[in-house]
Amino acid sequence: DAGVIQSPRHEVTEMGQEVTLRCKPISGHDYLFWYRQTMMRGLELLIYFNNNVPIDDSGMPEDRFSAKMPNASFSTLKIQPSEPRDSAVYFCASSPTTAFVSTEAFFGQGTRLTVV
Amino acid sequence: GQSLEQPSEVTAVEGAIVQINCTYQTSGFYGLSWYQQHDGGAPTFLSYNGLDGLEETGRFSSFLSRSDSYGYLLLQELQMKDSASYFCAVRGNTDKLIFGTGTRLQVFP
Repeated sequence: DAGVIQSPRHEVTEMGQEVTLRCKPISGHDYLFWYRQTMMRGLELLIYFNNNVPIDDSGMPEDRFSAKMPNASFSTLKIQPSEPRDSAVYFCASSPTTAFVSTEAFFGQGTRLTVV
Repeated sequence: GQSLEQPSEVTAVEGAIVQINCTYQTSGFYGLSWYQQHDGGAPTFLSYNGLDGLEETGRFSSFLSRSDSYGYLLLQELQMKDSASYFCAVRGNTDKLIFGTGTRLQVFP
């Protein structure tokens, strides 16, 4: 398997624009997580899905953020409108149910978002 | 809620041994994990402790004391390539996988 695939790897956009980040989890994994990483706040869990269903979105910072998982092989994280403080690296991670207890999650390479 | 505390930075020389501590507070507990992240890279899973005691994987060992809500990662025979950030993580009864603040390890020749 190619691992968790995220696109784009880098995104530079202007304030106010819509940004869509994409993630393809590892086939067969039941859990999908979206994280945001900044120097100040570390790795923050934004939202996670189990079997394509959003379970907990309490980490989503504002209504400007939304996430979907229309099927088991694809998820999106959308920011509309984007603001400079959204600049961060966004990671998607997936995990199989069999690794639930061991908490082993597989991360994509991340999308580095810069909002100017 | 859940929170994990780690030292922000640790330095050591090649060949040395270093210990990175993690204290946690969580509702429910499924064990403590450790992840490594090199600059510009993605976090990668290193180890997991579900029960008290020491788990060894090559040069790396991880320890857990559930009664103390404490664990550590022990890195032996340090190499330059071990320079990275190390995160502890827990999954509580909410299923969330929460990460600590991260410890930046710098290994000097």
